[in-house]
Amino acid sequence: EVQLLESGGGLVQPGGSLRLSCAASGFTFTNYAMGWVRQAPGLGLECVSSISGDGRTTYYADSVKGRFTFSRDNSGNTLYLQMNSLRAEDTGIYYCARAGPYFLDYWGQGTLITVSS
Amino acid sequence: EIVMTQSPATLSLSPGERATLSCRASQSVSRSLAWYQQKPGQAPRLLIHGSSTRATDIPARFSGSGSGTEFSLTISSLQSEDFAVYYCQQYSNWPRTFGQGTKVEIK
Repeated sequence: EVQLLESGGGLVQPGGSLRLSCAASGFTFTNYAMGWVRQAPGLGLECVSSISGDGRTTYYADSVKGRFTFSRDNSGNTLYLQMNSLRAEDTGIYYCARAGPYFLDYWGQGTLITVSS
Repeated sequence: EIVMTQSPATLSLSPGERATLSCRASQSVSRSLAWYQQKPGQAPRLLIHGSSTRATDIPARFSGSGSGTEFSLTISSLQSEDFAVYYCQQYSNWPRTFGQGTKVEIK
């Protein structure tokens, strides 16, 4: 059974940093690209970033480019999203998802990030 | 960036009725179009990919169609568990973009 479990969310002040993790299990991790999708409170979905199976290729939404870094540890089946210079508009639920191969076929339950002073 | 536009914003229907949701892309995405269902407090769930291929364990009452810039999702006979928000997403280009969602609510 495919499982994705996010962690690392919480309350952070504007300008602060946070690192999200996503532990994956139930599939051959290196065979899949992965992504982060966020959802602001009461709003729609935004693809934040994606990473190839070997970790060599990443994509970022313009809204987070230069501030967020997406990486993966293929030996530990874990994803990381390092978020710096956080802004109020980064507030929301962050989901990690498996790209199977391009659409998102499995999603974690999400972790909430609140950027506020 | 490809803009995805869904209509209507809200669809008020009764159980057993047919629901038809629309999604339009600002430029062609061929058949690189997925539909997701999201219920309150839950993560989105993949329903359809490749415009018309049902994902694993998705009931046959869900069907998708379209190519290029015009797509639709049809639920042939609404069940109580189908009342939710539905999103389309293009995966032809980066950034992958979602529509703003269509809420299917009980009339």
